[in-house]
Amino acid sequence: DVKVTQSSRYLVKRTGEKVFLECVQDMDHENMFWYRQDPGLGLRLIYFSYDVKMKEKGDIPEGYSVSREKKERFSLILESASTNQTSMYLCASSPHGEPQHFGDGTRLSIL
Amino acid sequence: DAKTTQPPSMDCAEGRAANLPCNHSTISGNEYVYWYRQIHSQGPQYIIHGLKNNETNEMASLIITEDRKSSTLILPHATLRDTAVYYCIVRSRNSNSGYALNFGKGTSLLVTP
Repeated sequence: DVKVTQSSRYLVKRTGEKVFLECVQDMDHENMFWYRQDPGLGLRLIYFSYDVKMKEKGDIPEGYSVSREKKERFSLILESASTNQTSMYLCASSPHGEPQHFGDGTRLSIL
Repeated sequence: DAKTTQPPSMDCAEGRAANLPCNHSTISGNEYVYWYRQIHSQGPQYIIHGLKNNETNEMASLIITEDRKSSTLILPHATLRDTAVYYCIVRSRNSNSGYALNFGKGTSLLVTP
């Protein structure tokens, strides 16, 4: 079975903090993705990566950055957390052209 | 990507088949139909996908009409654990780079005892 692991299920941070969300997959997938999910807005793509050190902006990249130094790990960084970044964050991975598999999400609260 | 239309909610009795419809009348020739579901407080779970032929796996069956403008996901014997939001997504496969999934509002399926 595909395993996508997100480092935390719940996280509470303060405004202005630098926040790191980690995602690891164990299936040697080329593609990795970060989404956020908010009530009434569905899932929105923040960034994705199709190879090590490669990244592409999604629909809502503002306020976020990403890092992919190793194939299995994709990190989402909130440079200076703000309250409007309180959300459920979902990581996914896939081989090229194949369905994405998701982690269980990190529920992030910014106070 | 083609737009999809799903009913906002459906009910199904436990043990009966759940048939979830999806309209995608603007689908183009190279676009696949994907189904995911999301159980409360979990990440989305991939169920099945297809291009034009009907597909079946251990979780569900996917029936795509001949003109490909609509499809139906069938859970043959629904259980309480199948209560979830089901998303129908139409997307082309791109072998050169990653692709984003456009999750709409989906159908909230409630399986009742």
